[in-house]
Amino acid sequence: DAGVIQSPRHEVTEMGQEVTLRCKPISGHDYLFWYRQTMMRGLELLIYFNNNVPIDDSGMPEDRFSAKMPNASFSTLKIQPSEPRDSAVYFCASSPWGRDNEQFFGPGTRLTVL
Amino acid sequence: AQSVTQLGSHVSVSEGALVLLRCNYSSSVPPYLFWYVQYPNQGLQLLLKYTSAATLVKGINGFEAEFKKSETSFHLTKPSAHMSDAAEYFCAVSVNSGGSNYKLTFGKGTLLTVNP
Repeated sequence: DAGVIQSPRHEVTEMGQEVTLRCKPISGHDYLFWYRQTMMRGLELLIYFNNNVPIDDSGMPEDRFSAKMPNASFSTLKIQPSEPRDSAVYFCASSPWGRDNEQFFGPGTRLTVL
Repeated sequence: AQSVTQLGSHVSVSEGALVLLRCNYSSSVPPYLFWYVQYPNQGLQLLLKYTSAATLVKGINGFEAEFKKSETSFHLTKPSAHMSDAAEYFCAVSVNSGGSNYKLTFGKGTLLTVNP
């Protein structure tokens, strides 16, 4: 099993640019989660999906952030326009139904907005 | 809503010494509890989890944790620290609310340093 795959691993962009982060969950997993990790705020849940449907997006910081899951094997997190305060490591995680809520994390995307 | 408090943002031990990382939780219903480890520039990896079976849970790399309901604690221990244990450790809580809530709530993490 390849695990959760995220791309790119590193992204450097300028303020105002659009950023798209990508995630491929583990095959067969029903849940997909997007997190943001910073020194100041720790690990924050942004949004999660069940069977491709967004269930809870209360952690999305503002309208500049959007997430989609067009099919069971792909999700995107988009920031438009990006700001320096969006600099963080973004993690995707997936979870199968019935595994006691255990989540499997990807390696993360380190985003730097200049 | 559930919450987690990790006592001590940074713990330093000598190689071979006991490792003790503290976690207290708050939950109005029986919780699921987890410890994850994060090595530098990597994602989180599950160490162990408690899901209402045995209160003493054994995980990977020689770690274990004990669920104590009376103390609302789930502390992580390892008898003898190894240099490779240096990492950040996260405690997390979740509840099984009839299949509608699969969120994990994470603590702020404890950075473990192992000195030679």
